[in-house]
Amino acid sequence: NAGVTQTPKFRVLKTGQSMTLLCAQDMNHEYMYWYRQDPGMGLRLIHYSVGEGTTAKGEVPDGYNVSRLKKQNFLLGLESAAPSQTSVYFCASSYSGGTLLLFSGNTIYFGEGSWLTVV
Amino acid sequence: RKEVEQDPGPFNVPEGATVAFNCTYSNSASQSFFWYRQDCRKEPKLLMSVYSSGNEDGRFTAQLNRASQYISLLIRDSKLSDSATYLCVVNILISGGYNKLIFGAGTRLAVHP
Repeated sequence: NAGVTQTPKFRVLKTGQSMTLLCAQDMNHEYMYWYRQDPGMGLRLIHYSVGEGTTAKGEVPDGYNVSRLKKQNFLLGLESAAPSQTSVYFCASSYSGGTLLLFSGNTIYFGEGSWLTVV
Repeated sequence: RKEVEQDPGPFNVPEGATVAFNCTYSNSASQSFFWYRQDCRKEPKLLMSVYSSGNEDGRFTAQLNRASQYISLLIRDSKLSDSATYLCVVNILISGGYNKLIFGAGTRLAVHP
């Protein structure tokens, strides 16, 4: 019953280092998302993908890149980490978006989160 | 102004109490609404959808007021296990037929013995 799996769960980076967060889902979902969550703020969408080979920018894409080479995987990269990127990162997936998602009631499924600290 | 606003709390209530949270949203194009629950250091999980007619799931009741652009969550007979942060989520249909989920920052509930 894996659902959405994120790795790594915890990571400490030095400013300027690069890293990749991996998200994998086994539900055959089309849509995948990367969010960040900071104290006092709601989850904010970084990037999302509506299918294999596609990516799009969310609300806060600067400093991040993503790739969706396989349907089940969605990678989030930090090319040059900054302290402002210290956050909890959640990957999520959903069967579809648009009208079907509006009324499905199932919305999206989240991974367990990745705690990233940039020092 | 935030698109989805919630009182951050915390709401400290005794077991058995009834507690209500409100959430306001600013985008009148909002199409659907949800309450998610998030435990400390865990991922958000869907608690319930919010329908125009209001809906109930056990001890939880959700209401939507489109005219005033707010949704509410009522928890009756609070349990210790209800302690969590409750996220208000609004779904907006944007161009191209895609949806956009807007998350509130959450309301923290602490139920004590």
